[in-house]
Amino acid sequence: DQQVKQNSPSLSVQEGRISILNCDYTNSMFDYFLWYKKYPAEGPTFLISISSIKDKNEDGRFTVFLNKSAKHLSLHIVPSQPGDSAVYFCAASATMEYGNKLVFGAGTILRVKS
Amino acid sequence: GAGVSQSPRYKVAKRGQDVALRCDPISGHVSLFWYQQALGQGPEFLTYFQNEAQLDKSGLPSDRFFAERPEGSVSTLKIQRTQQEDSAVYLCASTKRVSSYEQYFGPGTRLTVT
Repeated sequence: DQQVKQNSPSLSVQEGRISILNCDYTNSMFDYFLWYKKYPAEGPTFLISISSIKDKNEDGRFTVFLNKSAKHLSLHIVPSQPGDSAVYFCAASATMEYGNKLVFGAGTILRVKS
Repeated sequence: GAGVSQSPRYKVAKRGQDVALRCDPISGHVSLFWYQQALGQGPEFLTYFQNEAQLDKSGLPSDRFFAERPEGSVSTLKIQRTQQEDSAVYLCASTKRVSSYEQYFGPGTRLTVT
């Protein structure tokens, strides 16, 4: 039972254009969402997050949008750069009494062409 | 500054062998998580420590998996009688506070069981 789904295994975008990565979730208890970026042979690196009390969070070229009614979030990268080429994971967490473990999607491979 | 480190980076084990994977979290980080990442999938939660206490081990796939963090810093994940389905990347992550959501990941240990 996949609670977090990233339905696009890969995405190819031209340098300078917008990249939009999508993520859907099923668990209504999730109240915090994160995006991680991963390069080969490295661990995931935190990129940006959003609390369920917000619908948008922006950090430089990266913006995350949350639509709670649709249980959907997306990551926008504008403008896309070749260095953004990586695997992007969506993750969700339900606030726990201890240790907010993360539930990850399967990832989307982003390729930014120069 | 030192991030999360893991050793060994690569481990090849014959089926039936025992393995021990080490994680050095960021100094002073209270929470420590272990995740298993199969090929083409996102990381999946295994277990959680708050200091030396293992408060959640709901993700451990079988009783062949055992984790410890005896002094509240370094953690070891042990897998007994390894099976081919144990082949995966094992990721360790830590957070400074129990309430934190953004986890800092190590580079992982790639375990291959032959």
